[in-house]
Amino acid sequence: QVQLQESGPGLVKPSETLSLTCTVSGGSVSSGSYYWSWIRQSPGKALEWIGYMYYTGSSNYNPSLKSRVTISVDRSENGFSLKLTSVTTADTAVYYCARADSSSWPLVGYFDYWGQGTLVTVSS
Amino acid sequence: QSALTQPASVSGSPGQSITISCTGTSSDVGGYNCVSWYQQHPGKAPKLMIYDVNLWPSGVSNRFSGSKSGSTASLTISGLQAEDEADYYCSSYTSSGTQVFGTGTKVTVL
Repeated sequence: QVQLQESGPGLVKPSETLSLTCTVSGGSVSSGSYYWSWIRQSPGKALEWIGYMYYTGSSNYNPSLKSRVTISVDRSENGFSLKLTSVTTADTAVYYCARADSSSWPLVGYFDYWGQGTLVTVSS
Repeated sequence: QSALTQPASVSGSPGQSITISCTGTSSDVGGYNCVSWYQQHPGKAPKLMIYDVNLWPSGVSNRFSGSKSGSTASLTISGLQAEDEADYYCSSYTSSGTQVFGTGTKVTVL
């Protein structure tokens, strides 16, 4: 059974960089079959896709966040990370990591495994 | 990219059927069969309920079914139960190689 677990600071100051890690168990981030993703949800709001990456390092990001986001793989920890720069209070949200799979490779079809989510608050 | 459009709320009585719509464009929902649906209970992570428009992941009840016509996808819940009360989100692959979620629908069991 694949499990994902987010970790990182719960409080970040405005203008600083938000950094989160997702540790994967029961599967390998180096598997060629999946994309590894970050998704967030501001309080009381809808889900927002942040981006995903393939184990080779290729990635794709939400155009509205692209200039501030980097997702990278950490093979030694069997995980992947999210960095979001120049954060504001609008970036306060629960951040989820998820595995993305597909029946129509290389089109990304769906998110089948999710972490429990971690709340990150941006405040001075 | 714009979020897919869903009704803010849908309600029904136990045993009834309800349908949630998810409207996009030819660049997302209308262009690909990569539409999925997620159920989210308060304080919990989303759970995959339908993928590739109308397929069930292992363990998901067949009371949930999906369909698509043009740029609008739909999720139908049959035999509505109290445990189905939750928020539901659709998602689609886009022509830019990205993903877009819907605005979300709150389902209330009366």
